Order: sequence, then structure tokens, then C-alpha cells
Amino acid sequence: KAGVTQTPRYLIKTRGQQVTLSCSPISGHRSVSWYQQTPGQGLQFLFEYFSETQRNKGNFPGRFSGRQFSNSRSEMNVSTLELGDSALYLCASSFGGEGSLAFFGQGTRLTVV
Amino acid sequence: DQQVKQNSPSLSVQEGRISILNCDYTNSMFDYFLWYKKYPAEGPTFLISISSIKDKNEDGRFTVFLNKSAKHLSLHIVPSQPGDSAVYFCAARRNSGGSNYKLTFGKGTLLTVNP
Repeated sequence: KAGVTQTPRYLIKTRGQQVTLSCSPISGHRSVSWYQQTPGQGLQFLFEYFSETQRNKGNFPGRFSGRQFSNSRSEMNVSTLELGDSALYLCASSFGGEGSLAFFGQGTRLTVV
Repeated sequence: DQQVKQNSPSLSVQEGRISILNCDYTNSMFDYFLWYKKYPAEGPTFLISISSIKDKNEDGRFTVFLNKSAKHLSLHIVPSQPGDSAVYFCAARRNSGGSNYKLTFGKGTLLTVNP
């Protein structure tokens, strides 16, 4: 059974640009969550999608957005990139029901210069 | 407001000894707690979890203890092995009562097990 796949693994962008990250969940999983990991803040929850609907949202500005497709694959978009957006972005998938366990992908390392 | 706190950024232990990683939480609505292990350049992997109705859960060398009154949990690794060297994240969530499935993480503790 394939794990959670995130693409690309590494990305370098210039301040002011926008970026789209992709996450393919484990087959059968309908929930996809996104987290930002920075050295100073640890892992912080961005948002969660379930059956193409955003079900939970963290405390991030509107520049951070996402969507989920009918096959459960998810994309995350960050517009008008800032230097502080440099981080490891992690995606986690789960069945989505109460008590279901989240499995993480390897992450996308975004560097904003 | 840090709802899940891991106050020790790092811990170093000798191979074969016990490693104890600590975690405190402030949100009394949390009723499910997890520990994840993370190696560099990899995503976090699930290690062990505990529901708030229990005070201990054991899985091989790993045991998690929960003290609800103190809002404190700890992960014990016995015996510690060099391969256990990684960053350990404590996480918490509400496991029921709505659609709040997000995990709230601590900042992590870097465990180094010396041969």
C-alpha cells in the first residue's frame, strides 16, 4: 500500500511569487490535513479537507488556501510569498472518522528567497 | 498560546538506559494524545497513543503515561537504542464531539541515544 506522496520534495521561490504543493493520500483515505513546520514554531495546523470540503482551519492568513479533488488528492496554495513562509509543509491523510490515525508524507521543503 | 508544550528541546541518554520525554497540555478538551517520531528529511511517523480514559499504554519498548489531573504525559523508551535518535513530537486532539480532527503539536524534543 503506497504511503502519502507529496510533490515536489524541494522548492525555491522568490518573494512575491505564488506556489502550489500537491499531496496524494493513502488509497481509501478521504481526509487530508496540511501542517507547516518551522524551527521556531514546530508543527502548526493549516487546514483539513474531507470529501472535497474544508472541515477545519488553523490560524493562518488568507494567502494560504487549499482544495481537495474527488479522488481525495489535495493541493495547497500560498500566494504573495514572504520570507517567513520558508518551511517544511507536511500533508497527513486519514480515513477521517473519529479516532482515525493520521499518516504523514515526507513533506515539501519550501525556501523563499 | 502554546496548548501543547514540550519544555525540553533536547535529551541525551546512553544506549540501554531509559529515555523519558515529557509533554504538558493546557486544553482540558483534549482527550486523545499521540507521540510521533521524526527523522531528518522524513515526515513524522506514528509511535504510540493514549486515550484520556487510560493512564498507561504500552507497546514493546515504548510506554506512554497520562496524568490527567496534572495535564501531563510522558513517553518512556526502555531500553534506548541508537536508532531511537530522532525528534519526538507530542500531539493532542479532541477525539469526539464534532469535526475537530486537527492535531495540536508540541515543538518537539530531539533525543540522542549515544552508543
